Amino acid sequence: ETGVTQTPRHLVMGMTNKKSLKCEQHLGHNAMYWYKQSAKKPLELMFVYSLEERVENNSVPSRFSPECPNSSHLFLHLHTLQPEDSALYLCASSQAGSVANVLTFGAGSRLTVL
Amino acid sequence: RKEVEQDPGPFNVPEGATVAFNCTYSNSASQSFFWYRQDCRKEPKLLMSVYSSGNEDGRFTAQLNRASQYISLLIRDSKLSDSATYLCVVHSGSARQLTFGSGTQLTVLP
Repeated sequence: ETGVTQTPRHLVMGMTNKKSLKCEQHLGHNAMYWYKQSAKKPLELMFVYSLEERVENNSVPSRFSPECPNSSHLFLHLHTLQPEDSALYLCASSQAGSVANVLTFGAGSRLTVL
Repeated sequence: RKEVEQDPGPFNVPEGATVAFNCTYSNSASQSFFWYRQDCRKEPKLLMSVYSSGNEDGRFTAQLNRASQYISLLIRDSKLSDSATYLCVVHSGSARQLTFGSGTQLTVLP
């Protein structure tokens, strides 16, 4: 496998469920990201793991919980979500510290919360 | 003022037309600039980086104006396959300081 792989591609869950999104990068990058993309809005940075240090957006609700066990894998754990959390969740990786911090995105996980 | 601002469009142009998008940014300390392309229901992909001296890649030309804090993307001889949303991205330092614009939607018509 190459690039950035996300699973599942589609997820439908109820508000009381617990699920996880998974991301894996095969690029040797040292930073991984979770972004949220809602219709007609800019990509919203949720979390960054850079050199395995976590940096978070303080506006992200605690019902989203990231986990980065190593530099190649990133998870987003979901629990008691709300319908407004329905969106496309994009994982990305980059070589942080390089002159051009270019992001490579996965294909995304489209989440629907009922 | 938004950190990165783009005209959302939509821009509807005929094949063969020349179209230009602008993007303004508010952080004067911004260091790197990019244009990404996002097709419908797909992930964003890097189209090109934007260099201070301006740069060209085939039909695409990107320019940076630091004094006025804007970047531009010019597409010449538009193709149907250029239809997409074009995202302006500004990097201001650390890994977390990559800011995306809302995107400009382009539709090239036959």
